[in-house]
Amino acid sequence: NAGVMQNPRHLVRRRGQEARLRCSPMKGHSHVYWYRQLPEEGLKFMVYLQKENIIDESGMPKERFSAEFPKEGPSILRIQQVVRGDSAAYFCASSPQMGSYTFGSGTRLTVV
Amino acid sequence: EDQVTQSPEALRLQEGESSSLNCSYTVSGLRGLFWYRQDPGKGPEFLFTLYSAGEEKEKERLKATLTKKESFLHITAPKPEDSATYLCAVRNDRDDKIIFGKGTRLHILP
Repeated sequence: NAGVMQNPRHLVRRRGQEARLRCSPMKGHSHVYWYRQLPEEGLKFMVYLQKENIIDESGMPKERFSAEFPKEGPSILRIQQVVRGDSAAYFCASSPQMGSYTFGSGTRLTVV
Repeated sequence: EDQVTQSPEALRLQEGESSSLNCSYTVSGLRGLFWYRQDPGKGPEFLFTLYSAGEEKEKERLKATLTKKESFLHITAPKPEDSATYLCAVRNDRDDKIIFGKGTRLHILP
């Protein structure tokens, strides 16, 4: 049973480009969460999704950021027109309903 | 607003020197307090879930305890491989997301 799979592990984008981060949850997990982590900072909640539904996006910046979890395929976190401040580690986690989270290894985004 | 505060921010111990990490929380209706371990360049790894005051859980050299206002992660006779950042998090009874503290960076010297 594979864990939470995130790809790519490292992503470099120039300012103004788009970044797409992918997350495949653990088998049997229907809840997906995205978090952002900056150096010396804790994990900051961004968005909580279930299949085809955004449940809570209270932590997502209002502009340039979007997330989806389609019926088929991985969850996608999309950042349009990236800026240097978007550089961070982005972690995806999945859980069964009300269970503990299992995290992926993260995608480290660097904006140059 | 739900809040999680961890202390100390960083802790250096000699191998075998026992200590405790603190997690103070404010949450409207606790529906679980979680401890995770995070190694550099990796995602957090689940350690424990505690649900009610008085509950304790153990795993190897780690023991987590819970009161109505805080949780402690006790580490007994630590080894260098216990060096990591330890994260505390809470889930409330309103929604399903987990709020994390900033973590305690633990360094065990051989």
